[in-house]
Amino acid sequence: AQSVAQPEDQVNVAEGNPLTVKCTYSVSGNPYLFWYVQYPNRGLQFLLKYITGDNLVKGSYGFEAEFNKSQTSFHLKKPSALVSDSALYFCAVRGPMDTGRRALTFGSGTRLQVQP
Amino acid sequence: GAVVSQHPSWVICKSGTSVKIECRSLDFQATTMFWYRQFPKQSLMLMATSNEGSKATYEQGVEKDKFLINHASLTLSTLTVTSAHPEDSSFYICSARELPDRVVDTQYFGPGTRLTVL
Repeated sequence: AQSVAQPEDQVNVAEGNPLTVKCTYSVSGNPYLFWYVQYPNRGLQFLLKYITGDNLVKGSYGFEAEFNKSQTSFHLKKPSALVSDSALYFCAVRGPMDTGRRALTFGSGTRLQVQP
Repeated sequence: GAVVSQHPSWVICKSGTSVKIECRSLDFQATTMFWYRQFPKQSLMLMATSNEGSKATYEQGVEKDKFLINHASLTLSTLTVTSAHPEDSSFYICSARELPDRVVDTQYFGPGTRLTVL
């Protein structure tokens, strides 16, 4: 079974500083990895995904994520945090095509708080 | 990106009544739609996967007779919570994907529906 771990319930960072939100995954075969952001009482907004190719993936709003196969990680990063980045961030994985499981498995979420 | 809408955005109902939630893909045809529920301060839990014109596939532990899913067209899926009880109160979120299974594409999420059962 596939799984995703987000070890930090909350990450606090000062505005202008770099931020990292951690994610590790477990899946047999090649993973398909996603990051989504959720604002209060809203659905999820897609940030970026890794399917194949370059390990550094660039996404929306200046976010990027680095796929590390040896460490089974897909950490979300941003060079300079904004107060408006404060939200709940979810990492998700979809398993290999041959598993037939098309739905995403989500991590528990990490709340990012950016202080002005 | 693609847009998915949900209606209503919130609903309050009495215990024992049924509630229907609609999920629409506005600018694309969704081969597959997913229904999730989210409890406060928790992650999304997949309830079921639905394909247009076929029966939904429910996750283990989800009662298919209680959570009726109809995917009548390529742009509309509905979730009906039958005989709702207070423990069904939750945030229900749908998502949709456009491309066939052989392609790994992005799921786009609706804004969610908050259901409160009194």
